[in-house]
Amino acid sequence: GAGVSQSPSNKVTEKGKDVELRCDPISGHTALYWYRQSLGQGLEFLIYFQGNSAPDKSGLPSDRFSAERTGGSVSTLTIQRTQQEDSAVYLCASSWGGGRGYYNEQFFGPGTRLTVL
Amino acid sequence: DAKTTQPNSMESNEEEPVHLPCNHSTISGTDYIHWYRQLPSQGPEYVIHGLTSNVNNRMASLAIAEDRKSSTLILHRATLRDAAVYYCILRVGSGGGADGLTFGKGTHLIIQP
Repeated sequence: GAGVSQSPSNKVTEKGKDVELRCDPISGHTALYWYRQSLGQGLEFLIYFQGNSAPDKSGLPSDRFSAERTGGSVSTLTIQRTQQEDSAVYLCASSWGGGRGYYNEQFFGPGTRLTVL
Repeated sequence: DAKTTQPNSMESNEEEPVHLPCNHSTISGTDYIHWYRQLPSQGPEYVIHGLTSNVNNRMASLAIAEDRKSSTLILHRATLRDAAVYYCILRVGSGGGADGLTFGKGTHLIIQP
């Protein structure tokens, strides 16, 4: 079956421009996560959506970052006024359920490589 | 979340078993031990998880110390496709709040042909 897909696969932008990154989770998965991975670093959690609940934005590094999830499916991560330190691979993952008390395997997409010049 | 400690890198030969260690001395009673791996230029993928007992699946085995302060991921017969960064992650098994995984630096596993 189809896995998590992300688009674009690569994005090059100029400092100060806004970018939108898209994630299509696995159909039926209620939980969706965004992470970013800077060069040579581990993954950094950004934001978490669970069903129709308000998202947990505790990992967003600044107010330039925002995300939404429409219809409980597709999600868009928006970075406004991009900075060079925003350059990283942005990964999306989805799972059947969420919440700390619920075990669930996270399925990751291939990521979007963002380069800010 | 409790912290894990893994060696930066390990090297093994193809078709030999690989034992990847992870220390988690501050683990709490409700923490699950999860392993993910990340192949080059790909997103992470789930490998295995456990709580107290040893676990086996088609990909690997997980051996958990009796005091749960350490665990070992075992690849029974490594192939070149197993070359990846392996992450040992603790996940709280109760309570609410963010459910994002906390990834450390992981162990870079190198497989020699």
